[in-house]
Amino acid sequence: AQRVTQPEKLLSVFKGAPVELKCNYSYSGSPELFWYVQYSRQRLQLLLRHISRESIKGFTADLNKGETSFHLKKPFAQEEDSAMYYCALRAFGNEKLTFGTGTRLTIIP
Amino acid sequence: DTEVTQTPKHLVMGMTNKKSLKCEQHMGHRAMYWYKQKAKKPPELMFVYSYEKLSINESVPSRFSPECPNSSLLNLHLHALQPEDSALYLCASSRDSPDTQYFGPGTRLTVL
Repeated sequence: AQRVTQPEKLLSVFKGAPVELKCNYSYSGSPELFWYVQYSRQRLQLLLRHISRESIKGFTADLNKGETSFHLKKPFAQEEDSAMYYCALRAFGNEKLTFGTGTRLTIIP
Repeated sequence: DTEVTQTPKHLVMGMTNKKSLKCEQHMGHRAMYWYKQKAKKPPELMFVYSYEKLSINESVPSRFSPECPNSSLLNLHLHALQPEDSALYLCASSRDSPDTQYFGPGTRLTVL
């Protein structure tokens, strides 16, 4: 079975401070990991995926298979980063996407 | 057209009604998905269609009936729903299955 854990329901960070949203997963095979974001009154959208190894809107995430983690990081938070963030896992080659419970990030001006 | 669209945006129905949710994409994607999202919870997969064939049914009750008439269109037929079925229903599509999923804005369903 595959499981995604986001331990923080709510996270508040001051503008300009570093951000880290935690994601841990449980899966015995090869996972694909994703971060999705939902801004206020907007649809759920892909932020980044681990196999792309790219930085989107200043965010990065590294898959750590030893710690089974895929934490999302940004060195300097901006007010427009306030949103709901979901970590998601898919077994390699499988269609099912399993989401974590989400973290609501609030950037304090 | 680079978006997934869903209609209606809101739907209120009684427990004896029959209604349908519609999802459309014109990106040439060959996989389409239905998710259910309860308030303050993550999306949960209900169905997956790949090349217009049902490939995953996550043990969804038969009062929800999906249909994929063509590669651009996905319907979810609703009949005899319960109040606990009230939720945001999300549609998604991907170029192939499996692949990165792109989500629609959702239909907010209320069952009275």
